[in-house]
Amino acid sequence: AQSVTQLGSHVSVSEGALVLLRCNYSSSVPPYLFWYVQYPNQGLQLLLKYTSAATLVKGINGFEAEFKKSETSFHLTKPSAHMSDAAEYFCAVTRSGGYQKVTFGIGTKLQVIP
Amino acid sequence: NAGVTQTPKFQVLKTGQSMTLQCAQDMNHNSMYWYRQDPGMGLRLIYYSASEGTTDKGEVPNGYNVSRLNKREFSLRLESAAPSQTSVYFCASSEYGGKNTGELFFGEGSRLTVL
Repeated sequence: AQSVTQLGSHVSVSEGALVLLRCNYSSSVPPYLFWYVQYPNQGLQLLLKYTSAATLVKGINGFEAEFKKSETSFHLTKPSAHMSDAAEYFCAVTRSGGYQKVTFGIGTKLQVIP
Repeated sequence: NAGVTQTPKFQVLKTGQSMTLQCAQDMNHNSMYWYRQDPGMGLRLIYYSASEGTTDKGEVPNGYNVSRLNKREFSLRLESAAPSQTSVYFCASSEYGGKNTGELFFGEGSRLTVL
């Protein structure tokens, strides 16, 4: 079985401040991990993914995430928040090896305060 | 490149009416999915089709049926709509095996209101 926990359904940061969105996963086998972003009234799009290569993964719009096996975490960060980063962010987990279902966290809504 | 296309984008139904949400993808993906998104509950899987010719229940299948018409198309049907089915519905597709990592590609969503 696999699961994802996102700590904090709402996070507020000031423009220019560090963005940190937390994700912890549970998986009985090595996982593939994803962050998706959803802008208002749009579908989800991939921000970045971890697939067992480099543990520090860089994505679009200056975001990055670090896979920490010992902590079972895959937190999303961005050094300096921009107003355009206001969106909902979803962490997701799946597994390698043929077809596997994807399990999502409940999402974190990021508010950026000017 | 259209990706995943869903229709309709908006629909209002009365309780007991039926409707079908259509989804098509042009990426030659084997797997297709229907999710619903509700405030505070994230994305919940309704049904999925791992490959053409197969469909399986997800977390919340009650009140829905699906058809994998061909490799490109995967439809979701509400036979007798209920207010609890008011939601935003997303279709997605993915590929697996080889260099593929199961990344999901989403449509723009279909906003359904049941009165």
